[in-house]
Amino acid sequence: GQQLNQSPQSMFIQEGEDVSMNCTSSSIFNTWLWYKQEPGEGPVLLIALYKAGELTSNGRLTAQFGITRKDSFLNISASIPSDVGIYFCAGRWQAGTALIFGKGTTLSVSS
Amino acid sequence: NAGVTQTPKFRILKIGQSMTLQCAQDMNHNYMYWYRQDPGMGLKLIYYSVGAGITDKGEVPNGYNVSRSTTEDFPLRLELAAPSQTSVYFCASSYGEGREQYFGPGTRLTVT
Repeated sequence: GQQLNQSPQSMFIQEGEDVSMNCTSSSIFNTWLWYKQEPGEGPVLLIALYKAGELTSNGRLTAQFGITRKDSFLNISASIPSDVGIYFCAGRWQAGTALIFGKGTTLSVSS
Repeated sequence: NAGVTQTPKFRILKIGQSMTLQCAQDMNHNYMYWYRQDPGMGLKLIYYSVGAGITDKGEVPNGYNVSRSTTEDFPLRLELAAPSQTSVYFCASSYGEGREQYFGPGTRLTVT
């Protein structure tokens, strides 16, 4: 079946640093979504991408739909302690198929 | 809007017991989903529904059943609980196929 590889698995950074994480797929995807999950909560949608090359921002977060349609990137600028959580990518490779989720990137921010 | 709501928040079951996890959404979304999340893993799709009266299996449907009698509600049924069903269960909804999904707060289930 289709798989998503999300990296890095975890990150430990200082407050104020920029963060970058990515997801890659073995097939061409037509949808990429990025979610954040905090302890004891459900995933919350951050950014949705539907076109190759699309670059979308949400505050300090920026995500891009890779031009090859096999990858997506999430950047967080000037990290703050409340950015702590698990970030998941999710993608769909064709109409009629379910979303596939990556295993997540755990972000820790020290002040 | 409350969005997607789930009850209960926590539950402990003994092996062989049954229970229903409740999920409701007030966004008038046609599509609803049930996922399970195990430590260090992503979300695995159990069942989904594209509208009232229509349900279909996801990646890991064994041991579960669903029904969709209304647009708002999508309960998940465990008939004979097993330790392998210990997990956190999330319900989600979306307004269209392939569109962004909105998640509930989850139900943490332990089967002992």
